[in-house]
Amino acid sequence: QSALTQPPSASGSPGQSVTISCTGTSSDVGGCDYVSWYQQYPGKVPKLMIYDVTKRPSGVPDRFSGSKSGNTASLTVSGLQAEDEADYYCSACAGRNTMIFGGGTKLTVL
Amino acid sequence: QVQLVQSGAEVKKPGASVKVSCRASGYFLSAFYMHWMRQAPGQGLEWMGWINPNSGGANYAQKFQGRVNMTRDTSISTVYLELSGLTYDDTAVYYCARDVYRFLRYRFDSWGQGSLVTVSS
Repeated sequence: QSALTQPPSASGSPGQSVTISCTGTSSDVGGCDYVSWYQQYPGKVPKLMIYDVTKRPSGVPDRFSGSKSGNTASLTVSGLQAEDEADYYCSACAGRNTMIFGGGTKLTVL
Repeated sequence: QVQLVQSGAEVKKPGASVKVSCRASGYFLSAFYMHWMRQAPGQGLEWMGWINPNSGGANYAQKFQGRVNMTRDTSISTVYLELSGLTYDDTAVYYCARDVYRFLRYRFDSWGQGSLVTVSS
């Protein structure tokens, strides 16, 4: 099963908003309520930023939000800050009690 | 607090097997599914499978069927990932990560620190 499709890179200036897409199929993103997003700094462990499509764990700034339409999930980072520069990965359940990750997006704060 | 502590780095020859451990503390191991992921150098995350530490049941990504085995020892709150038939493409950092209480929700808020497995002749 191929990875979910994410743009390899995204960028924005401080204070701007940026949206990262995660496209799959009706067998994963489109048919799954358990879409998550992770932030990963180089050499570090991934951190959960969004779960169940739209929910934020305690401690994650409300600048981070998630949504889904059809087979595409999205992560929006509002009010970009320098510390948001990292790799972002989406994930979704994929049937038969399996899951799949996206290929990852490198977010650059200009 | 919840902690997942993994075993150290390993160097293996092609064709060999590797067994990585993940020791849980701060919570009851059997109450949470545990997943294994890996990340090759400069690459993205790849899900490998999960184990239910309560029953010992496991489910693996199709890609790894036949050469992966996930087990647990509840007496020492530890889960294991064993991967056989190693190739150079298996060089990666391997992570364990905990799912939510009692259910599969593919939500990982606690991760191990990662175990680097290097396949080299």
